[in-house]
Amino acid sequence: NAGVTQTPKFRILKIGQSMTLQCTQDMNHNYMYWYRQDPGMGLKLIYYSVGAGITDKGEVPNGYNVSRSTTEDFPLRLELAAPSQTSVYFCASTWAQAMTGELFFGEGSRLTVL
Amino acid sequence: DQQVKQNSPSLSVQEGRISILNCDYTNSMFDYFLWYKKYPAEGPTFLISISSIKDKNEDGRFTVFLNKSAKHLSLHIVPSQPGDSAVYFCAASVQGGSEKLVFGKGTKLTVNP
Repeated sequence: NAGVTQTPKFRILKIGQSMTLQCTQDMNHNYMYWYRQDPGMGLKLIYYSVGAGITDKGEVPNGYNVSRSTTEDFPLRLELAAPSQTSVYFCASTWAQAMTGELFFGEGSRLTVL
Repeated sequence: DQQVKQNSPSLSVQEGRISILNCDYTNSMFDYFLWYKKYPAEGPTFLISISSIKDKNEDGRFTVFLNKSAKHLSLHIVPSQPGDSAVYFCAASVQGGSEKLVFGKGTKLTVNP
């Protein structure tokens, strides 16, 4: 099992560019999440999905979009990148019935916007 | 407004001694608490959790204590090992809402040989 796989691991963007962070999991988890972690801060939820075709906003959704066409994949789209989006992004997943917060995380994607 | 607070950014202990990491919360609706461990360049990994109906949960060298009246929990690592050096995140959630998981800022633990 690969678990949760994120690509790319590193990316540098120019202001105004767009990109998609990819996330895929092979654990048949229904729930998937995108978090961002800024230096010295905790993880903040951007978007989450409770199953294919269903997504919802988290705490910090502005500037991002997501889609969930399959159980396995949950890409995060950044439109018009801004320096404030410089961060480390983590994708996570869990079973539907594990509604107690035990998440499985990917290794992270470090994004720099210049 | 931080609902989950880890007031110590860093902690240094000697190998073999006890490490105590602390976490405070403000939201009385939280009823499930977790600790995650994170190594550099890796994602967080789940370490241990505790429900609000308990005041202690133990898993090998790791024990989490919950004091609901004080809205405080702590993670004890005994004995500490150099491989325990990592950032530890405290997190809290309301039962039935994993999307409402709230993380603290983390405490960087260094265990010196």
